[in-house]
Amino acid sequence: KQEVTQIPAALSVPEGENLVLNCSFTDSAIYNLQWFRQDPGKGLTSLLLIQSSQREQTSGRLNASLDKSSGRSTLYIAASQPGDSATYLCAVTPANQAGTALIFGKGTTLSVSS
Amino acid sequence: EPEVTQTPSHQVTQMGQEVILRCVPISNHLYFYWYRQILGQKVEFLVSFYNNEISEKSEIFDDQFSVERPDGSNFTLKIRSTKLEDSAMYFCASSRDEGNTIYFGEGSWLTVV
Repeated sequence: KQEVTQIPAALSVPEGENLVLNCSFTDSAIYNLQWFRQDPGKGLTSLLLIQSSQREQTSGRLNASLDKSSGRSTLYIAASQPGDSATYLCAVTPANQAGTALIFGKGTTLSVSS
Repeated sequence: EPEVTQTPSHQVTQMGQEVILRCVPISNHLYFYWYRQILGQKVEFLVSFYNNEISEKSEIFDDQFSVERPDGSNFTLKIRSTKLEDSAMYFCASSRDEGNTIYFGEGSWLTVV
């Protein structure tokens, strides 16, 4: 059964710092991996989608990498800002299921202080 | 930018009552989903829907739950005979195709008392 783990559970950094959030998954057979942002009491905003054949995706100050064979992904945030404060969720779509269900990690709660 | 919209944003219901949560997916999307998040826990998959039928469902999605696309725009989740443990944020989501980005709504917070 696919399990997704995110480390650390919480992270506090000063504004301007570059940071890395980690995601690991137990079964390397995935269709894709998606990173989301969740603000308190709100919905999920998609940040980046990496297909299983890709190694990384970039959007603005965000860069996500995927190492499928080792079951790892990282989300790199450059020059962090207070507005980046949120919970970041990693989710995978298993390749061994006939469907499109996402399996989520519990998230990393990021706090960026000014 | 197109978005998934959900109503109501918050509903309080008595144990044993039926609840219908409504969603309008993004208009050109073909796959629709319901997920839930119990406070402090992971987001969990409930069901996916494609071509007017359920394509996949989790163990959580038992006979208490049902989904429907009553017209060309709405997608609903019905929870019969609600229990205290059904209290959660329920998210509707949609995607254009398999393997594409999945877009989530703002959620419907259900409180069962």
